[in-house]
Amino acid sequence: DTEVTQTPKHLVMGMTNKKSLKCEQHMGHRAMYWYKQKAKKPPELMFVYSYEKLSINESVPSRFSPECPNSSLLNLHLHALQPEDSALYLCASSRAPSGTENIQYFGAGTRLSVL
Amino acid sequence: AQTVTQSQPEMSVQEAETVTLSCTYDTSESDYYLFWYKQPPSRQMILVIRQEAYKQQNATENRFSVNFQKAAKSFSLKISDSQLGDAAMYFCAYRTLIQGAQKLVFGQGTRLTINP
Repeated sequence: DTEVTQTPKHLVMGMTNKKSLKCEQHMGHRAMYWYKQKAKKPPELMFVYSYEKLSINESVPSRFSPECPNSSLLNLHLHALQPEDSALYLCASSRAPSGTENIQYFGAGTRLSVL
Repeated sequence: AQTVTQSQPEMSVQEAETVTLSCTYDTSESDYYLFWYKQPPSRQMILVIRQEAYKQQNATENRFSVNFQKAAKSFSLKISDSQLGDAAMYFCAYRTLIQGAQKLVFGQGTRLTINP
């Protein structure tokens, strides 16, 4: 089983709303990732969690707040977003943060629209 | 910083034919990993094939194979016997490490169309 589950599949929110994206995996992976993908562009890394600790923050604005409550769950809390934040948000996980066990498995993403 | 370049925004091929997607990268590292992912309309990124730079032998996975030229920093993907289900956006990716954690750097992608 190489499944990464993301909810919701679609989300529409206003600029004053607070919402959260959720990502789950039950593969025992210890690294989890958030990517942002604009239309017709490649994914861009936002955050990496290694063993439930934030290892990489790619200078993401503070209106995006990641959280890793346990090794299976990754959240992305959204607050005061801008219309340009509309994108596909992809979650991924890998068995380890580095080394040979480095294949990243992706979820199907959350399509976010900010009005 | 590492960069990945895919020079073919779009490619098309007849069903059952062979197609090759190009990818070049720039790095000063000697040991690294390269990947090809596909992203169909369902949006999920699916790993197609992986190559470890220290291995000279080209990776193969059923109908998919790579031509890895380390000195030329080239990593092309060959799809044999193309099938309608191969239609997708294909991304070449380079893995680098930052503070002990991996980061994938993606190329701009090649949209592959399969003509019946």
